[in-house]
Amino acid sequence: QLQLQESGPGLVKPSETLSLTCTVSGGSISRSNHYWAWIRQPPGKGLEWVGCIFDNGDTYYNPSLKSRVSMSVDTSKNQLSLRVSSVTAADTAVYYCARQATLRLNTYKFDSWGQGTLVTVSS
Amino acid sequence: QSALTQPRSVSGSPGQSVTISCSGTSSDVGGYNYVSWYQQHPAKAPKLIIYDVTKRPSGVPDRFSGSKSGNTASLTISGLQPEDEADYSCCSFAGTYTYVVFGGGTKLTVL
Repeated sequence: QLQLQESGPGLVKPSETLSLTCTVSGGSISRSNHYWAWIRQPPGKGLEWVGCIFDNGDTYYNPSLKSRVSMSVDTSKNQLSLRVSSVTAADTAVYYCARQATLRLNTYKFDSWGQGTLVTVSS
Repeated sequence: QSALTQPRSVSGSPGQSVTISCSGTSSDVGGYNYVSWYQQHPAKAPKLIIYDVTKRPSGVPDRFSGSKSGNTASLTISGLQPEDEADYSCCSFAGTYTYVVFGGGTKLTVL
């Protein structure tokens, strides 16, 4: 069974860079034909798609975050990574990684999710 | 403010049916048959319960159903059970610039 696990610092200072890793087990990132996404949820608010990445490094980002976000994938470790630069309190959220099925599979859904990790931006 | 509009809360008694709406535009909900719904219990990760407007993943009870009319999608839960009490969020593909939009979530209370 596919499992995703987010990890990284729970506290980041304003103006610094948030860095998270998602480790995938029970399946291979590189042979899944899926994208791998980051989705965040500020406390008490709705979900927000941050972006996604394919195993070849192909990326798509939320236009509202594009200038501050970068994603990468390490297929040898079956991991994906997220970096968000110049963070502010508005970036405080639970960050989830998820498997994203897209139009290349004639569907569009997030069908497996990690448990999420809370990142707080505060000095 | 979320791109898709959902009611903040709905409620129903055990055994009843409830419907949660998800309002978008012709650039997202109305333009594609790629609406999905997620159930989220407190402090838990979202779980996919409906995708491509009407399809249910294996293991999701057929009490959960989805539909769409114009720019509005709907999730109907029939035969409400106590364990259905959770937050429900809609999501839509929104084209090759915006890509993905979510609703703000609806809290379902089973009375």
